Amino acid sequence: SQELEQSPQSLIVQEGKNLTINCTSSKTLYGLYWYKQKYGEGLIFLMMLQKGGEEKSHEKITAKLDEKKQQSSLHITASQPSHAGIYLCGARSGGSNYKLTFGKGTLLTVNP
Amino acid sequence: DSGVTQTPKHLITATGQRVTLRCSPRSGDLSVYWYQQSLDQGLQFLIQYYNGEERAKGNILERFSAQQFPDLHSELNLSSLELGDSALYFCASSVGVAGGYEQYFGPGTRLTVT
Repeated sequence: SQELEQSPQSLIVQEGKNLTINCTSSKTLYGLYWYKQKYGEGLIFLMMLQKGGEEKSHEKITAKLDEKKQQSSLHITASQPSHAGIYLCGARSGGSNYKLTFGKGTLLTVNP
Repeated sequence: DSGVTQTPKHLITATGQRVTLRCSPRSGDLSVYWYQQSLDQGLQFLIQYYNGEERAKGNILERFSAQQFPDLHSELNLSSLELGDSALYFCASSVGVAGGYEQYFGPGTRLTVT
């Protein structure tokens, strides 16, 4: 079965700093999803990447998909306290497989 | 607000009991997914329905069952509850049945089994 490894597990940054979170799959990626979760709350959809080399941005968050490396990265520019939370990557393991397998998450703390 | 609604928000019950969790997908979405999130297992896929039919099963216990009704809302039934069933249960929805569609999550139901 597919496994997703996220790194780092936790991250503490000063407000205004840039940061990157990585998500590496044990199998071929057919679709990679990024979500943000406040502890104990629902998942907020951030971005979905489907093609190798694809890059998407939303406000100060950019996600890229490297199909060859079976990896995705999430980059936050000029972090703000509102970016704090748990970032989860989820992936489909097959073209017609629609269930998502999730990583364990990266806990981001942004200090003002 | 994702547009996916779940009730109840919190549920506290005793071991051996049965509970029903309810989910209403976003308007226009035909697929509903159920996930379980616990500290030790993380977020795990349980089951998917598309337009009333079961389409995929994940790590769902035999004590658990689900269905999707003609109005597209879905219910997850958990029976013979054990302490280890305490978790956050999420419902997600998407437009289509196959991959490539965005999945939007509800706020979750926190189940506590005592």
